[in-house]
Amino acid sequence: SQQGEEDPQALSIQEGENATMNCSYKTSINNLQWYRQNSGRGLVHLILIRSNEREKHSGRLRVTLDTSKKSSSLLITASRAADTASYFCATWRYGGSQGNLIFGKGTKLSVKP
Amino acid sequence: NAGVTQTPKFQVLKTGQSMTLQCAQDMNHNSMYWYRQDPGMGLRLIYYSASEGTTDKGEVPNGYNVSRLNKREFSLRLESAAPSQTSVYFCASSENPGHLISGNTIYFGEGSWLTVV
Repeated sequence: SQQGEEDPQALSIQEGENATMNCSYKTSINNLQWYRQNSGRGLVHLILIRSNEREKHSGRLRVTLDTSKKSSSLLITASRAADTASYFCATWRYGGSQGNLIFGKGTKLSVKP
Repeated sequence: NAGVTQTPKFQVLKTGQSMTLQCAQDMNHNSMYWYRQDPGMGLRLIYYSASEGTTDKGEVPNGYNVSRLNKREFSLRLESAAPSQTSVYFCASSENPGHLISGNTIYFGEGSWLTVV
């Protein structure tokens, strides 16, 4: 089962606009991560936010976390065509003797020049 | 620094054939993972190895076996391939097992496209 669910499933914007993607999750977390996947490539880690943080910035990325609503958002400002990719949120699930990272189904972002 | 390397990149199998996907990481990571990615399903964990010598089932282990050959290498085997195993497979690694709250990030390989006909 999916721990994180991204919304929207697909987003199309013009270059220069801001893109906002949302993620909801089900269980308590210690941290939440966002990954990017370019078409035909592996996933690349973008940013991690801990449960005691409410907002975090990295370059043009801004991530917020609301643990009371079990939700996170990823904002990409001044988007570029190179930002076209799928974006996934992921949380660790603690089961059995070890944990594993559970991914949502992703938001497919298309940035048009 | 190659990171996570997986082979082959592309493979076509006939139903019932067997094959092994190879994965190696050069980051001295303790934990390694195999995921599959299908349209509309996101990434699903097949098996993981928290440390050398241990392996555990993930969300979708049926039809697969794994071997943690050493700290660097983690292979995924399909004993009798089925069309339902047509997918993109990703190997990944992290420095430590996920249950540690240090905030482990996962590093992915470039993927292996497998088609079973």
